[in-house]
Amino acid sequence: AQSVTQLDSHVSVSEGTPVLLRCNYSSSYSPSLFWYVQHPNKGLQLLLKYTSAATLVKGINGFEAEFKKSETSFHLTKPSAHMSDAAEYFCVVSDRRMGGGADGLTFGKGTHLIIQP
Amino acid sequence: SQTIHQWPATLVQPVGSPLSLECTVEGTSNPNLYWYRQAAGRGLQLLFYSVGIGQISSEVPQNLSASRPQDRQFILSSKKLLLSDSGFYLCAWSVPGTLKTQYFGPGTRLLVL
Repeated sequence: AQSVTQLDSHVSVSEGTPVLLRCNYSSSYSPSLFWYVQHPNKGLQLLLKYTSAATLVKGINGFEAEFKKSETSFHLTKPSAHMSDAAEYFCVVSDRRMGGGADGLTFGKGTHLIIQP
Repeated sequence: SQTIHQWPATLVQPVGSPLSLECTVEGTSNPNLYWYRQAAGRGLQLLFYSVGIGQISSEVPQNLSASRPQDRQFILSSKKLLLSDSGFYLCAWSVPGTLKTQYFGPGTRLLVL
């Protein structure tokens, strides 16, 4: 069975400082891993995706994540936080085949990123 | 390019009333479609998915149902809403195939009173 643990429910950083959002996963197979961002009362936007190619994945808005199989981690980082980064971030794993070829996603509970001015 | 629409954006309904939420996708054919619910302060829970017209799979037993009357239309329904049905409902689509990215709509905020 697959599972995702986001280690921090809230992270607060000052504008211009680095961001680290932690994610650990468990999976029986070789998973795909995603980070999505959700601004208040909005849908989810894909930040980046890992699919067994390069272990360091670059996404939109300056975010990147590194897949570390030995640590079963997929932490999200950004060198310098911006006020517009304040949002909820979800780490997601996909390795579950459902009937008919649809993909099953397992979501972490989310990390609320707060940016201090 | 592909776009996904959901409506209404916000809905307030009394307990016991019916529900119909609609999701449509443009710019792609034969997508996989998904309905998720996001309760306050929690992650997303998959409710239904569909790999084709008229093909609906339910992930969890509940008070809701789904239908796919057209290739790019996915509808979430209830005959009688419960208080526990309140939440943020998200529709998503993906290209059929292995481990494809899911793309989410803007969501519908449902409040049952």
